[in-house]
Amino acid sequence: DGGITQSPKYLFRKEGQNVTLSCEQNLNHDAMYWYRQDPGQGLRLIYYSQIVNDFQKGDIAEGYSVSREKKESFPLTVTSAQKNPTAFYLCASSLIATNEKLFFGSGTQLSVL
Amino acid sequence: SQKIEQNSEALNIQEGKTATLTCNYTNYSPAYLQWYRQDPGRGPVFLLLIRENEKEKRKERLKVTFDTTLKQSLFHITASQPADSATYLCALGDTDKLIFGTGTRLQVFP
Repeated sequence: DGGITQSPKYLFRKEGQNVTLSCEQNLNHDAMYWYRQDPGQGLRLIYYSQIVNDFQKGDIAEGYSVSREKKESFPLTVTSAQKNPTAFYLCASSLIATNEKLFFGSGTQLSVL
Repeated sequence: SQKIEQNSEALNIQEGKTATLTCNYTNYSPAYLQWYRQDPGRGPVFLLLIRENEKEKRKERLKVTFDTTLKQSLFHITASQPADSATYLCALGDTDKLIFGTGTRLQVFP
């Protein structure tokens, strides 16, 4: 079964700690995205990647970092510089980088201890 | 700046009726509009995409309209079922950006 796998489902961050969220897809999609979802707000784009070894900042990239060393993988690191990290994080992919027909993972809920 | 409005109040309807959800937008001329379904604690699932030159699109019990003059899309679910209960997100976009609305929660009761 093709799809996107995010892990872990729940993650807790201590003060000053960096944490990494995993996102893997076996859909052979070129484009991958990271979104943040907060209650009462629409999804906001953190980073996106159109192709391996290339990525661009989205609307709210400060305090986050990504890498795209393999087509299948697009991990997101939430750094200590992100002062309000508590949110539901969603990884998505699309066949090509047109923002159409996004496939989403099941999400990671990040909370601060 | 671009703005998308979806009814933040939940829509409650009886099983078998048609549910109609609204997505309004301003200050933007999108190339297409998409609708997604999201269940609690899960990622959104793509449902339909309609382009700016299309007036209507259907998929099984789903129908989407797109009025670029009114800057509005309507999303219809006919013969609604309790399993249709979820939050529905609209998203406007082009190759450079995709903007999501906050979603409308639909509750279908027996």
